[in-house]
Amino acid sequence: AQKITQTQPGMFVQEKEAVTLDCTYDTSDPSYGLFWYKQPSSGEMIFLIYQGSYDQQNATEGRYSLNFQKARKSANLVISASQLGDSAMYFCAMRATGNQFYFGTGTSLTVIP
Amino acid sequence: GAGVSQTPSNKVTEKGKYVELRCDPISGHTALYWYRQSLGQGPEFLIYFQGTGAADDSGLPNDRFFAVRPEGSVSTLKIQRTERGDSAVYLCASSLGGMGSPLHFGNGTRLTVT
Repeated sequence: AQKITQTQPGMFVQEKEAVTLDCTYDTSDPSYGLFWYKQPSSGEMIFLIYQGSYDQQNATEGRYSLNFQKARKSANLVISASQLGDSAMYFCAMRATGNQFYFGTGTSLTVIP
Repeated sequence: GAGVSQTPSNKVTEKGKYVELRCDPISGHTALYWYRQSLGQGPEFLIYFQGTGAADDSGLPNDRFFAVRPEGSVSTLKIQRTERGDSAVYLCASSLGGMGSPLHFGNGTRLTVT
């Protein structure tokens, strides 16, 4: 069975500091993709970053990076130099064979000025 | 280009009524997904289309829910005999397909059943 687990319901970070949001996954498929999305209070889902299961290097997109540890089945999102606008819900998702996307329950991030 | 468009943005209906929610995906995106999101929860998968056919409808909660995509573009999610428990935000997303292709979401339809 495919499963995504986000164990941090809420996180706080000081402005300009870095923060790590945890995500673990479970799949028996050898080929899969891991995605992170941001959902501000406005409700839109914004794609942030992607990591493929065969990618040798960790993905980076601006201030976002993905700490991919395949043996541990973890795909943590690191946000560097946090900004007030980073306050939002963050969802980890996995795409496996069959094109189904599985989402975690999310982490609420609050950036403190 | 235009993103995923969902209409209406808000829908209030009485228990027992029928509702239709519409999704217009990004042009050229062959894959279309419907999700349901309750407050404080992650998106819950409902159904996935590849082209005109439903490739996976395992997430539809019961036979009151049905979705179509007759021409492989616009999709309609139909809910019969609505119940108060159907109240949620219904999200539509489209994708080019392929493992690395992300979902592009619409702004959702907030359904309230009174």
